Amino acid sequence: GAVVSQHPSWVICKSGTSVKIECRSLDFQATTMFWYRQFPKQSLMLMATSNEGSKATYEQGVEKDKFLINHASLTLSTLTVTSAHPEDSSFYICSARDHFRSTTGELFFGEGSRLTVL
Amino acid sequence: TQLLEQSPQFLSIQEGENLTVYCNSSSVFSSLQWYRQEPGEGPVLLVTVVTGGEVKKLKRLTFQFGDARKDSSLHITAAQPGDTGLYLCAGVRGSSNTGKLIFGQGTTLQVKP
Repeated sequence: GAVVSQHPSWVICKSGTSVKIECRSLDFQATTMFWYRQFPKQSLMLMATSNEGSKATYEQGVEKDKFLINHASLTLSTLTVTSAHPEDSSFYICSARDHFRSTTGELFFGEGSRLTVL
Repeated sequence: TQLLEQSPQFLSIQEGENLTVYCNSSSVFSSLQWYRQEPGEGPVLLVTVVTGGEVKKLKRLTFQFGDARKDSSLHITAAQPGDTGLYLCAGVRGSSNTGKLIFGQGTTLQVKP
């Protein structure tokens, strides 16, 4: 299957700092990437849809100024958690769809990034 | 309101037992996928079902898509400890190529040796 790489896999930061998470599609071009958030033992919650070359589309209840998403190229999307607080601690997962390999909507996921805000 | 209702949410069984996980919705999906996720990792795709009534088998796992494309089930035969994990159903809203993937609540499966 298609490969999506996420970095860093884990990060610990102090409250008030900003953290950037990168998501790369390694062997395909992704015009659209999706960012999810997952709390322990819970399912994935869609945060936003990242569109290459345009603004991200955020889900209801997700703060745009808090979670900055940039999709500057067909293989890279970044999520920046600004002025992080302990309640932002979570597992963040990106995903992408390879339109050439699949026409039925499957997503390929990154390994996830565990954010812990002290 | 949860678009995809997945049940049960937690399941603990002995090795060798059979189990079924259900994924139900009032909405029609263009396709539905099942993923499995290990702790600390991203979900991995198991199967995609597209046609109403479709049945797919993956070794001891059997996936079925409802005739109306609103529900799906995952049946595991003779579960093994290696099957332990979080199982997620997900449906595509909108076009298969551009639509959002919406997840059910997930089923945490524990298979005891």
